[in-house]
Amino acid sequence: GAVVSQHPSWVICKSGTSVKIECRSLDFQATTMFWYRQFPKQSLMLMATSNEGSKATYEQGVEKDKFLINHASLTLSTLTVTSAHPEDSSFYICSAIQDSGANVLTFGAGSRLTVL
Amino acid sequence: AQRVTQPEKLLSVFKGAPVELKCNYSYSGSPELFWYVQYSRQRLQLLLRHISRESIKGFTADLNKGETSFHLKKPFAQEEDSAMYYCASRSSNTGKLIFGQGTTLQVKP
Repeated sequence: GAVVSQHPSWVICKSGTSVKIECRSLDFQATTMFWYRQFPKQSLMLMATSNEGSKATYEQGVEKDKFLINHASLTLSTLTVTSAHPEDSSFYICSAIQDSGANVLTFGAGSRLTVL
Repeated sequence: AQRVTQPEKLLSVFKGAPVELKCNYSYSGSPELFWYVQYSRQRLQLLLRHISRESIKGFTADLNKGETSFHLKKPFAQEEDSAMYYCASRSSNTGKLIFGQGTTLQVKP
């Protein structure tokens, strides 16, 4: 079945540094991927829609200069948290839609970011 | 606006009891509704979708457009059903999947 891989699964960084999280569709092509953020014991909040070859579409309230998204190929989207601060600490989850298939989202395992 | 509401944060039942996890949605068009499940220490996975009209692991969900609901039901809960359940709505225009707040189902022995 369709598999989405996220890397790293967890990362700890110092305040002010930038962190890149990768989301890969392993056995299918995905023109569209989505990035979510999940706080402890809360739901998944959609951050942005990542489109291959074009700019990402951000949800209201999400800073595009803070959360840089690059979807350079049909199997890879990256989320870069720039100048990270402790309030950016969260669980980031990506999902991808198969270009050909059942039109269902497949989720990655998530990446836990801790900013000290 | 596209919105999904799950009124219960926690639902606790005994093994063998019926279960109903509530979900209400608001959307101006024709949404596609889903239930996702997240077992402890595992990734989110699709449980069922309304267009499939199927039963997965004994769970069913019927879309009620009049009540704008998509409640998840199972007649006899099992301990292995204990997990976090998310109802989600997908826009036919944008493809965005919006989640409800989630309900933790706890099935006691």
